[in-house]
Amino acid sequence: AQTVTQSQPEMSVQEAETVTLSCTYDTSESDYYLFWYKQPPSRQMILVIRQEAYKQQNATENRFSVNFQKAAKSFSLKISDSQLGDAAMYFCAYRRPGNQFYFGTGTSLTVIP
Amino acid sequence: DTAVSQTPKYLVTQMGNDKSIKCEQNLGHDTMYWYKQDSKKFLKIMFSYNNKELIINETVPNRFSPKSPDKAHLNLHINSLELGDSAVYFCASSPRQGVVAFFGQGTRLTVV
Repeated sequence: AQTVTQSQPEMSVQEAETVTLSCTYDTSESDYYLFWYKQPPSRQMILVIRQEAYKQQNATENRFSVNFQKAAKSFSLKISDSQLGDAAMYFCAYRRPGNQFYFGTGTSLTVIP
Repeated sequence: DTAVSQTPKYLVTQMGNDKSIKCEQNLGHDTMYWYKQDSKKFLKIMFSYNNKELIINETVPNRFSPKSPDKAHLNLHINSLELGDSAVYFCASSPRQGVVAFFGQGTRLTVV
């Protein structure tokens, strides 16, 4: 069974600082995709970044980057220069072949001014 | 233009009632999903439809039934609502060969 684990229910970061959110997953597949989604108070689920398992290079989107460790089945999200608008619930997600998505339990990020 | 839209955004109803939540996507995607997000923010997949065929049913109660009149719509019908059904329900879609799921804004269902 595929599972996604986010071990940090809550995290906080000072504005302009860097924070890393952890995610581990369990799979026997070799071909899959990983995602980080952001859910602000508006409830809208917003894609932050994605990583293809076959790519060794870590994905980067502006201030957001990932540390993808395939052997360790780890997929952490780093947010640099944190902004107040980054405050939200962050979900790690795994997609296996066949279009099935699995989500972690989320990490609530607070940005302190 | 909204890619994935759900209606209604809020739904308050009494126990025992039957209700429906509608979902439409204008992205031409082949696969649509329903997720349930409980009070602890945990997202759990309920159903997945691919070309009008159910491909996932994560042991949800049979009071929940997805209905897809066409590829662009996946509605969720709930019979005999219970207090424990209170949650936020998300519709999502993704292309068959694509990797990104697009989400609707969610429907907050409250059963009283």
